[in-house]
Amino acid sequence: KAGVTQTPRYLIKTRGQQVTLSCSPISGHRSVSWYQQTPGQGLQFLFEYFSETQRNKGNFPGRFSGRQFSNSRSEMNVSTLELGDSALYLCASRLGGTNTEAFFGQGTRLTVV
Amino acid sequence: TQLLEQSPQFLSIQEGENLTVYCNSSSVFSSLQWYRQEPGEGPVLLVTVVTGGEVKKLKRLTFQFGDARKDSSLHITAAQPGDTGLYLCAGAPMNYGGSQGNLIFGKGTKLSVKP
Repeated sequence: KAGVTQTPRYLIKTRGQQVTLSCSPISGHRSVSWYQQTPGQGLQFLFEYFSETQRNKGNFPGRFSGRQFSNSRSEMNVSTLELGDSALYLCASRLGGTNTEAFFGQGTRLTVV
Repeated sequence: TQLLEQSPQFLSIQEGENLTVYCNSSSVFSSLQWYRQEPGEGPVLLVTVVTGGEVKKLKRLTFQFGDARKDSSLHITAAQPGDTGLYLCAGAPMNYGGSQGNLIFGKGTKLSVKP
């Protein structure tokens, strides 16, 4: 079965712009989580969506937002981009409930110049 | 704040050597997962351990979950260049799936196996 698909793979944006990243989870998975990965901080949790509802949010500013659609696909948006937002953004798909196994997409490499 | 301390941070060894990576916390986890990540790619799930004291083997890789479910180790026997990558441990908090949906990640161990 198809894995987690993230688009686009690479993005270059300038400071002040906004960006939208997309994630299609594994078919049947209802939970989608987003993580930011940087060399210094490692993987940091952004937020989790389950059945179109944001259940948890990490310690990121309000410029970072997301949503989930009825087909479980998810998008995250970053507004007013800053240089420090340059990172690999990873989406993780999970069946939901108490199942803890998370499967990651290939990520979107965002570079802010 | 729950933390997972992973060690060592970097490891460079010769092909054929054995190695162990450690993942420690003061918190109890309902399960712990190990991932391997190649540069520019997403982490790939290797194994999930759930029961305290559990040992799982995946070819030359042996994973162990501590009895108290606060720590874990990954042992690689006779490492090969194809084992090169970033190894990440990730713990699921006790209320994972309910009020908490985020895995807690260690900073990773960057392994380089030279031929």
